[in-house]
Amino acid sequence: DVKVTQSSRYLVKRTGEKVFLECVQDMDHENMFWYRQDPGLGLRLIYFSYDVKMKEKGDIPEGYSVSREKKERFSLILESASTNQTSMYLCASSLVEEETQYFGPGTRLLVL
Amino acid sequence: EDKVVQSPLSLVVHEGDTVTLNCSYEVTNFRSLLWYKQEKKAPTFLFMLTSSGIEKKSGRLSSILDKKELFSILNITATQTGDSAVYLCAVDGGGADGLTFGKGTHLIIQP
Repeated sequence: DVKVTQSSRYLVKRTGEKVFLECVQDMDHENMFWYRQDPGLGLRLIYFSYDVKMKEKGDIPEGYSVSREKKERFSLILESASTNQTSMYLCASSLVEEETQYFGPGTRLLVL
Repeated sequence: EDKVVQSPLSLVVHEGDTVTLNCSYEVTNFRSLLWYKQEKKAPTFLFMLTSSGIEKKSGRLSSILDKKELFSILNITATQTGDSAVYLCAVDGGGADGLTFGKGTHLIIQP
């Protein structure tokens, strides 16, 4: 069974802090994704990666960066957190682009 | 542990057929149930359901939630080849609980 884990379920940070969200998948999937989900807006793609050290911007990359040094791990970085980055962050992975994405449980981030 | 189970896992039908996708859940706290359509990268939001018995409709798609029996269905009438996708169900447990996703139903519409 595919397992996607995220480092924290609930996180509270202050404006200006650097925030790291970690995601790990155990199925040797090529593709990994970071989304944020806000009420009324559904899932919005921030960044995705189709291989180690490869990354591509999604629909809303501003204010975020990512790192994929190992195949199983995809990190989302908020260089300087702002209150408008308060959201639910979801990580997902898939074997190939068109196949089902498996989601982690999400991290609820609150930026004060 | 929160659980969301979707059925069937895959379904092949002909254009024009009506399909019903199922989602059952067991969660400690319930805030809402969400349906998504996933074709390429980001899943597209379809519906958010919070109240039992109130049908939500969008064109040929409709969905309803039963909070007593802990399930939801997604109906697609007069299916078209463009409806082919993976349909994901997720339950939002609210607060410190995250979103729990089902494994999806892979729907294929044949011409």
